[in-house]
Amino acid sequence: ETGVTQSPTHLIKTRGQQVTLRCSSQSGHNTVSWYQQALGQGPQFIFQYYREEENGRGNFPPRFSGLQFPNYSSELNVNALELDDSALYLCASSLPPGANTEAFFGQGTRLTVV
Amino acid sequence: DAKTTQPPSMDCAEGRAANLPCNHSTISGNEYVYWYRQIHSQGPQYIIHGLKNNETNEMASLIITEDRKSSTLILPHATLRDTAVYYCIVRINNAGNMLTFGGGTRLMVKP
Repeated sequence: ETGVTQSPTHLIKTRGQQVTLRCSSQSGHNTVSWYQQALGQGPQFIFQYYREEENGRGNFPPRFSGLQFPNYSSELNVNALELDDSALYLCASSLPPGANTEAFFGQGTRLTVV
Repeated sequence: DAKTTQPPSMDCAEGRAANLPCNHSTISGNEYVYWYRQIHSQGPQYIIHGLKNNETNEMASLIITEDRKSSTLILPHATLRDTAVYYCIVRINNAGNMLTFGGGTRLMVKP
């Protein structure tokens, strides 16, 4: 158990719909990142939030967006879902950038787009 | 972040040491070597990290060559529960959680 919790654990959506995934970071961690992991591949970095602002983004289109709240929890929103968005979505939390520390991952949300 | 190269798969007998290599020939002076593993259907788990000195913790040892162009993760007494995909990542330390995962090494520990 890492203290990072994600909800829901599984989700099925229809192509074109919108989805919101949620993440509660480990206590004391104010940096949250989201990753997409397609079947058989390594996780791919989507974006990172620090102090409620996005401070790093991977190669994902604008229909992937996020929020971080004052309690450091975070949401990942995906609009206009496509079949290729089917994946395991992982959230990771850590101490602030610059701290010599590791990221703690949640168990992920398995999203299936049909 | 520098790219890493790992063998796609390895086998290890239960109770023996598992030695997982990683090449990172383009690593910069301020980049650390991190290791994570991912057991099936779970989120990645941090194992260990280092800059240039060898490191050891309760899970594993990390051996970094003097020129820092490669490293080896050592699981001293592998168990069946160590079966997982192991990822070697190099990154600067002000990058927060921005990790670049490659394909990793799928370690199969066999009885």
